[in-house]
Amino acid sequence: EDQVTQSPEALRLQEGESSSLNCSYTVSGLRGLFWYRQDPGKGPEFLFTLYSAGEEKEKERLKATLTKKESFLHITAPKPEDSATYLCAVQAPGSNYQLIWGAGTKLIIKP
Amino acid sequence: DAGITQSPRHKVTETGTPVTLRCHQTENHRYMYWYRQDPGHGLRLIHYSYGVKDTDKGEVSDGYSVSRSKTEDFLLTLESATSSQTSVYFCAISAGLEETQYFGPGTRLLVL
Repeated sequence: EDQVTQSPEALRLQEGESSSLNCSYTVSGLRGLFWYRQDPGKGPEFLFTLYSAGEEKEKERLKATLTKKESFLHITAPKPEDSATYLCAVQAPGSNYQLIWGAGTKLIIKP
Repeated sequence: DAGITQSPRHKVTETGTPVTLRCHQTENHRYMYWYRQDPGHGLRLIHYSYGVKDTDKGEVSDGYSVSRSKTEDFLLTLESATSSQTSVYFCAISAGLEETQYFGPGTRLLVL
């Protein structure tokens, strides 16, 4: 069964303390892995798409990486405004663009 | 901004009443999706559409129906609302060469 698991469920960091969020997946023939950010009371906001092992993408303090079994979202020197829930999703072949979602990691950055 | 609006944004209703949620897009995207989001669960797909009058079921379609009579509107109907359908509902479209999904602001539904 195709599945996406995110860890940890919640992460509290001090401002400036770098860390990583994990997204592990079991999908045969990954078409794409997506990262989103969700603020309370809002819809998910697209961050990155990764397609193949070894690929990396960066945006400000965020860098996403991909291996054959998992993806990491690295957060470097985070600021309080980086506090949000980060969601991971994968797209399988022949899925008509449907995504399989993880439950998310709630990130809290304390000033 | 993918030009997606949802209405209503908040709704309180009683068990057994019908409820219709509307998703409206302004950019003629082919694919549209309805999700629900509940604590402890990831986003779960209810129904999706790949064109006018072309729809298909998702993971949690029981108790829900959809219609798409125009490209820009995708309606989600709860024929007889139950307390288990209390949730936040998100509409999404997919766009671009990568068919990335972009989300609306959500509708918070409470069924009493």
